[in-house]
Amino acid sequence: SQQGEEDPQALSIQEGENATMNCSYKTSINNLQWYRQNSGRGLVHLILIRSNEREKHSGRLRVTLDTSKKSSSLLITASRAADTASYFCATVLISGYSTLTFGKGTMLLVSP
Amino acid sequence: DAGVTQSPTHLIKTRGQQVTLRCSPKSGHDTVSWYQQALGQGPQFIFQYYEEEERQRGNFPDRFSGHQFPNYSSELNVNALLLGDSALYLCASSLGWVNTEAFFGQGTRLTVV
Repeated sequence: SQQGEEDPQALSIQEGENATMNCSYKTSINNLQWYRQNSGRGLVHLILIRSNEREKHSGRLRVTLDTSKKSSSLLITASRAADTASYFCATVLISGYSTLTFGKGTMLLVSP
Repeated sequence: DAGVTQSPTHLIKTRGQQVTLRCSPKSGHDTVSWYQQALGQGPQFIFQYYEEEERQRGNFPDRFSGHQFPNYSSELNVNALLLGDSALYLCASSLGWVNTEAFFGQGTRLTVV
């Protein structure tokens, strides 16, 4: 079963604009991670945010986590055509095991 | 530093056959997890190996089995292939099996005809 649900399913923007993707989940987590996938190939780890953190930054990426609402958001600022990919959130439950439960992803298209 | 490597990259098998997929973890990593990703879906957890033992298993039938070798590399075996087994199979490695960042390989695209 898939714990996380990303919203929107697809997003189309112009280069230079910001892209925001949201993720909701159902059960308590230890941490939440965002991954990127180009053209159905391997997943690239973007950022990990722990349940006791509210916001993290990495370059042009900003992730927030609201455990009371069981939701997270990924903001990509000043998007580039090379950011075109599918983005997935994945949760790690508080059980302690590092298995990831993924959502269905958001497909981002950045046009030049 | 080599990342996670998977072989083969593509594979076509006939329904009912058996298949073995291979994964070498990132240098220094000792835990390997396998995921199945159907078209248009997020990856689904199959199982995780640590110290040559299966530590966690997702909701997959016994046709899916695995192995981890002393050098931490791993194999995923699928018996009696079904058309529905067609998917991208992803291997992820991590250091330890508790709440750590996972690094993924490029995957093996399996097509069952």
